[in-house]
Amino acid sequence: DQQVKQNSPSLSVQEGRISILNCDYTNSMFDYFLWYKKYPAEGPTFLISISSIKDKNEDGRFTVFLNKSAKHLSLHIVPSQPGDSAVYFCAASQPGANNLFFGTGTRLTVIP
Amino acid sequence: DSGVTQTPKHLITATGQRVTLRCSPRSGDLSVYWYQQSLDQGLQFLIQYYNGEERAKGNILERFSAQQFPDLHSELNLSSLELGDSALYFCASSVTGQRNTEAFFGQGTRLTVV
Repeated sequence: DQQVKQNSPSLSVQEGRISILNCDYTNSMFDYFLWYKKYPAEGPTFLISISSIKDKNEDGRFTVFLNKSAKHLSLHIVPSQPGDSAVYFCAASQPGANNLFFGTGTRLTVIP
Repeated sequence: DSGVTQTPKHLITATGQRVTLRCSPRSGDLSVYWYQQSLDQGLQFLIQYYNGEERAKGNILERFSAQQFPDLHSELNLSSLELGDSALYFCASSVTGQRNTEAFFGQGTRLTVV
């Protein structure tokens, strides 16, 4: 049972435009959310996180938005750059559990 | 480079065999996690060790086992391999093993069972 879902397997965006990656979750116990980026032949690397007490967290070109009532979060990348081309994983954690629950990933391609 | 080292990078073996995947965590990290990523799936948590002791267990099959040694490296043992065990296996490490502590991932071991 996939508790974290990324329904878009892929996304293509022009360089300089905004990339919006979406993630939905089903477990209402999740209270901490993360985005990881993965390049081919590398492991996932942490990008940005958000606690459920916030609805927005920003770090440079990356902003994560959390809508708890909709159990939805999104990652905005502005402006998108070709080096952002990678697979992006959404992940979540809940109290009492140290592991992360991952989505299936969205492959972002930024076209120069 | 995350500082987490996994060996081997690739492994091809036959059904019914047993393999061992190795993970060296970042210097100073006490906790090690193992995740499995099957085709078109998200990373699925298998097991976590902290300072040599099992801390948490996920959807790890009985045919799989793991341990963390005194030097903090960890091994994941997969036995009686089946075709469906073909996957990328990631190791991650963190300082405290507590949630919300950033975990650093290795490059993964790609296991192919034929």
